[in-house]
Amino acid sequence: GESVGLHLPTLSVQEGDNSIINCAYSNSASDYFIWYKQESGKGPQFIIDIRSNMDKRQGQRVTVLLNKTVKHLSLQIAATQPGDSAVYFCAEISNNAGNMLTFGGGTRLMVKP
Amino acid sequence: DSGVTQTPKHLITATGQRVTLRCSPRSGDLSVYWYQQSLDQGLQFLIQYYNGEERAKGNILERFSAQQFPDLHSELNLSSLELGDSALYFCASSPRLNTEAFFGQGTRLTVV
Repeated sequence: GESVGLHLPTLSVQEGDNSIINCAYSNSASDYFIWYKQESGKGPQFIIDIRSNMDKRQGQRVTVLLNKTVKHLSLQIAATQPGDSAVYFCAEISNNAGNMLTFGGGTRLMVKP
Repeated sequence: DSGVTQTPKHLITATGQRVTLRCSPRSGDLSVYWYQQSLDQGLQFLIQYYNGEERAKGNILERFSAQQFPDLHSELNLSSLELGDSALYFCASSPRLNTEAFFGQGTRLTVV
């Protein structure tokens, strides 16, 4: 069925390095994507979003890239800090899925000091 | 603080019982989502309401039901509880359809 998935379950990076978290989606009708960060015991926190009419969007230390040709989404975190350690989820909304916000399986980012 | 309030924060109950989880969305938000998250798992979509009407339904069990009231708060009812229903239950709200959703801190349900 239609799904949003993640390539790597765990990513370990050195403090100060850049992190790249990847996500694949299968619904070609998806038109809105969101990255969330979830720290232990807390609710998911909105990081950044992108609509399908864009291929790149930048925030503070974060960049989301969207490649619709290969249905791939990535989150880049610059100068990764210990506070970035969390599980990161990509999520998708598509009009042909009743506007459901569907989540991928998550990637755990571990930042080594 | 996202502005989405969920109560209670923790709930411990026995198998076979029924519980109600409550969600107050951010002020002005019309859409409410419910998700279930088991230990170290992803977020499983349960159901979505928009301005009082059911908008989308995921793999929600028949033992579970929800509603959104005229004041836009929502309740998730879980009945005939089983051990496997132990999980974090999250509510999220968004101002409109197709916009970012903001999550509450969740209700941790433990069924013993």
